[in-house]
Amino acid sequence: GESVGLHLPTLSVQEGDNSIINCAYSNSASDYFIWYKQESGKGPQFIIDIRSNMDKRQGQRVTVLLNKTVKHLSLQIAATQPGDSAVYFCAEITGSYIPTFGRGTSLIVHP
Amino acid sequence: KAGVTQTPRYLIKTRGQQVTLSCSPISGHRSVSWYQQTPGQGLQFLFEYFSETQRNKGNFPGRFSGRQFSNSRSEMNVSTLELGDSALYLCASSRSGQGIMDGYTFGSGTRLTVV
Repeated sequence: GESVGLHLPTLSVQEGDNSIINCAYSNSASDYFIWYKQESGKGPQFIIDIRSNMDKRQGQRVTVLLNKTVKHLSLQIAATQPGDSAVYFCAEITGSYIPTFGRGTSLIVHP
Repeated sequence: KAGVTQTPRYLIKTRGQQVTLSCSPISGHRSVSWYQQTPGQGLQFLFEYFSETQRNKGNFPGRFSGRQFSNSRSEMNVSTLELGDSALYLCASSRSGQGIMDGYTFGSGTRLTVV
């Protein structure tokens, strides 16, 4: 079956740097994507979403880029802060509305 | 407003036992979805309930079951526990029957350890 995966299991950055977290998806029928942040001891929290008819979407300090040609999704976090330390994972959604989640990337921000 | 409440937060059970987990959605939310989260598999969909009806079910054995009550609270049950059932069980509530398309709000989960 098709699945969502992540390139890097762990990403370490310095405070103030920009972070880029990547996600590969394989279902070309997926038309909606979401990035989640999960802090230790908490449930996943919505960060930003993007539909397949868009290439880029920006939020507060975050940008999601979608490259449908290579089926690649990325999350960019500007001026990364210690509070951004968490596990980030993407989800792809098809017509059934049942998401498929990636395993996650652990972001570690060093002060 | 109160968030999604999952109880208990932690649970230790012995192989062969059964367990019931509870999820109270945000007031006004009528859809509850359950997920199993493990380091190896990530978040895996278990089932989704809307207005007391199971709308979707993931690829889990019949030992995993659930239900939803008229007040939208949901429970999931795992019978004949196996070591591999050790995981964080998360529920997510959403306002209507479109599940994640409405926007999920996740609870903090129940950490189940099977020994």
